[in-house]
Amino acid sequence: SQQGEEDPQALSIQEGENATMNCSYKTSINNLQWYRQNSGRGLVHLILIRSNEREKHSGRLRVTLDTSKKSSSLLITASRAADTASYFCATDSYKLSFGAGTTVTVRA
Amino acid sequence: ETGVTQTPRHLVMGMTNKKSLKCEQHLGHNAMYWYKQSAKKPLELMFVYNFKEQTENNSVPSRFSPECPNSSHLFLHLHTLQPEDSALYLCASSQEGTGTEAFFGQGTRLTVV
Repeated sequence: SQQGEEDPQALSIQEGENATMNCSYKTSINNLQWYRQNSGRGLVHLILIRSNEREKHSGRLRVTLDTSKKSSSLLITASRAADTASYFCATDSYKLSFGAGTTVTVRA
Repeated sequence: ETGVTQTPRHLVMGMTNKKSLKCEQHLGHNAMYWYKQSAKKPLELMFVYNFKEQTENNSVPSRFSPECPNSSHLFLHLHTLQPEDSALYLCASSQEGTGTEAFFGQGTRLTVV
């Protein structure tokens, strides 16, 4: 069953701007992961944040986790046209459960 | 390349056909998964195999039949499918129990006509 829910469903920004998307989930988790999917391709893992962590960085990506609110956010800074993709959060309790994703379009 | 290979990449089949999807990983992972991705919907977990044993079957219709002959290979046998089964089928693998990421194949785009 679906665990994570991303918000917004779609996001369109200008190159150079920041993109922020949110994920809410329902039950307790071991960790939360963010994935990226280019059109019609497989998912690629971006970053994993454990339940005892509050913030994590990887290059231009910043992820936060608030277990009290059961929510996470993914920030992509200084976006590029190549960041155009769908982004999914996945919650890891005893299995990985994905949401429907946020489709991000970066305009050149 | 993620280390997970799916074949074929595209498949068109009639409702009376029988076909199989193949997934292969050489990452040494002990768990393999089949997901179904339909447009505008969350990824649906179909089957999970742990050390070749099926540990999850998410109420998937019997026209989908998985097979895991060893920890590196996973098949999805298809027969008498319906047009609504048209979707992107994704295979993934992970090292179960370590809380680490899943590695996905590129998927098989299935169209049922």
